[in-house]
Amino acid sequence: NAGVTQTPKFQVLKTGQSMTLQCAQDMNHNSMYWYRQDPGMGLRLIYYSASEGTTDKGEVPNGYNVSRLNKREFSLRLESAAPSQTSVYFCASTDLGSQLYGYTFGSGTRLTVV
Amino acid sequence: DQQVKQNSPSLSVQEGRISILNCDYTNSMFDYFLWYKKYPAEGPTFLISISSIKDKNEDGRFTVFLNKSAKHLSLHIVPSQPGDSAVYFCAASDTGTYKYIFGTGTRLKVLA
Repeated sequence: NAGVTQTPKFQVLKTGQSMTLQCAQDMNHNSMYWYRQDPGMGLRLIYYSASEGTTDKGEVPNGYNVSRLNKREFSLRLESAAPSQTSVYFCASTDLGSQLYGYTFGSGTRLTVV
Repeated sequence: DQQVKQNSPSLSVQEGRISILNCDYTNSMFDYFLWYKKYPAEGPTFLISISSIKDKNEDGRFTVFLNKSAKHLSLHIVPSQPGDSAVYFCAASDTGTYKYIFGTGTRLKVLA
């Protein structure tokens, strides 16, 4: 099925460990995004990539790095995980066409940092 | 400083009645407004959108209203169905940025 695929779906990390969340889309979209969802906070933008070869910070970038590996793939890395990074992470993509169509989201990665 | 606000965390409505979900924003540069629906353990899915040149957009049971002077939009669901029970997020963007700012969500429960 066409869409946005995120791996893994669940992960438990110890404080200080590192990991990379993977995201791939097969819709030939130009732009890709990483959001986190926390109770009472909605969806907050971490980083985004407007097009292949570019990345920019969003609202809450501290503690994260990203890589736009190619047009399909956009990864999010936690270098030294902290309990405050316990969250559900969503990857999304969109085409640079009409802004009325919004994003296509992946199904999320639930990360717990203990 | 929350630019998009959904002040009602939850809403319960009887099946068949109208559900009205509200969203307020503070940035007058926002031109595009979207509503997303989210079921547990799934990603948000796009529901309906509106641009600032319109004040109403309909798609089946879903209608979005935009009041630019009040910086307010609302989503109407008529008639509400139990399958509509989900969390609804509004999101806004200004022209050309392709970055959407999301509200905190409203959990809708439609009672059978």
